[in-house]
Amino acid sequence: SYELTQPPSVSVSPGQTARITCSGDALPKKYASWFQQKSGQAPVLVIFEDNKRPSGIPERFSGSSSGTLATLTISGAQVEDEADFYCYSTDSSGNQRVFGGGTKLTVL
Amino acid sequence: QVQLMESGGGVVQPGKSLRLSCATSGFTFRNYGMHWVRQAPGKGLEWVAVIYFDGSKRYYADSVKGRFTISRDNSNNTVFLQMNSLRAEDTAVYYCAKEDMVTLDHWGQGTLVTVSS
Repeated sequence: SYELTQPPSVSVSPGQTARITCSGDALPKKYASWFQQKSGQAPVLVIFEDNKRPSGIPERFSGSSSGTLATLTISGAQVEDEADFYCYSTDSSGNQRVFGGGTKLTVL
Repeated sequence: QVQLMESGGGVVQPGKSLRLSCATSGFTFRNYGMHWVRQAPGKGLEWVAVIYFDGSKRYYADSVKGRFTISRDNSNNTVFLQMNSLRAEDTAVYYCAKEDMVTLDHWGQGTLVTVSS
């Protein structure tokens, strides 16, 4: 079955740039989305279609995709950005959806 | 505003069945695909199933194929997940989510399913 691979953890100091990657063979042809999940809460969409930001999401969140790698960038990370982040996409058929394993972002 | 509310979770014995519901409001339900996503305690998100806007297509994760069935009632703006032959590894918070722009743009708060004897 199709898999998306993320690093388990990323750590930055406040004000630094955090980058979280997501690797998958179908990403050259399929969009990636990113979700932020804070402890005890439902996930929230922060990036869709590789690089689009929903209304209400701070501009410091951005996305990009090149080849088999999608990247979520948080420019000037803040303490309140600490959360688990998940990438999401589909396999090459477009039928099976999949989440990456998740990345715990620590900002301290 | 868009709202999704799951219900039907609880404690169930292995091998038994449970039916989850997700009541929605704030959007034209019949125009959107709907998904179920689950999260086992302390684990990551796992996509479970999708049903297209008109119910014409349904797809499942390999881990639930043949045991779970997703369905929808476009007259009552509700999506369901029928779970049969439940196993301990199905224990999770189950979220319903609305699909738009090839992603999941709105989520419910989830309902906990515990499979235990």
